[in-house]
Amino acid sequence: GAVVSQHPSWVICKSGTSVKIECRSLDFQATTMFWYRQFPKQSLMLMATSNEGSKATYEQGVEKDKFLINHASLTLSTLTVTSAHPEDSSFYICSASRDYGYTFGSGTRLTVV
Amino acid sequence: AQSVTQLDSQVPVFEEAPVELRCNYSSSVSVYLFWYVQYPNQGLQLLLKYLSGSTLVKGINGFEAEFNKSQTSFHLRKPSVHISDTAEYFCAAQGGSEKLVFGKGTKLTVNP
Repeated sequence: GAVVSQHPSWVICKSGTSVKIECRSLDFQATTMFWYRQFPKQSLMLMATSNEGSKATYEQGVEKDKFLINHASLTLSTLTVTSAHPEDSSFYICSASRDYGYTFGSGTRLTVV
Repeated sequence: AQSVTQLDSQVPVFEEAPVELRCNYSSSVSVYLFWYVQYPNQGLQLLLKYLSGSTLVKGINGFEAEFNKSQTSFHLRKPSVHISDTAEYFCAAQGGSEKLVFGKGTKLTVNP
């Protein structure tokens, strides 16, 4: 079946540094991937839609200069949290669409100290 | 725009009891419906989905859901739950070419 691999599963970084999260579709090509943010005990909030070979589409209120998304190939999308601050600490999840369904990565727990 | 309502934020049940997790969506001409399960610090795993056809959808782990167009509902059910079913459950809907929209989730706790 469709598998989406997300790496790293957790990361701790210092305030002011940048962190890159990778999302790979392992056995299918994903022209579109999605990045979500999940706050504790809350639902998923769509941050942006990542399109292969073009600019990502960001949701209202999401800073595109802070959350850089690159979708350089049909199997890889990356989310870079630039100049991270403690308020960026969260659980980030990617997903890819296929056959009228969505496959999710295992998530990345980001802690900014 | 599509919206999804999960009225129950928490549902405690005893092991081997039946359970129903409720989900209602806003009306749409055509809608795709999904149920996902999330275990702590993990991503979402698809339990089942409704795209078209039979209104009763069977999924993994013994779960099933019924699409009810007149009531705009897609409730999730399991006749006998296990301790291992303890998790967060999310209902999601997609109308036409719109984005996938999630409900706020229901925390299912199965007690011995």
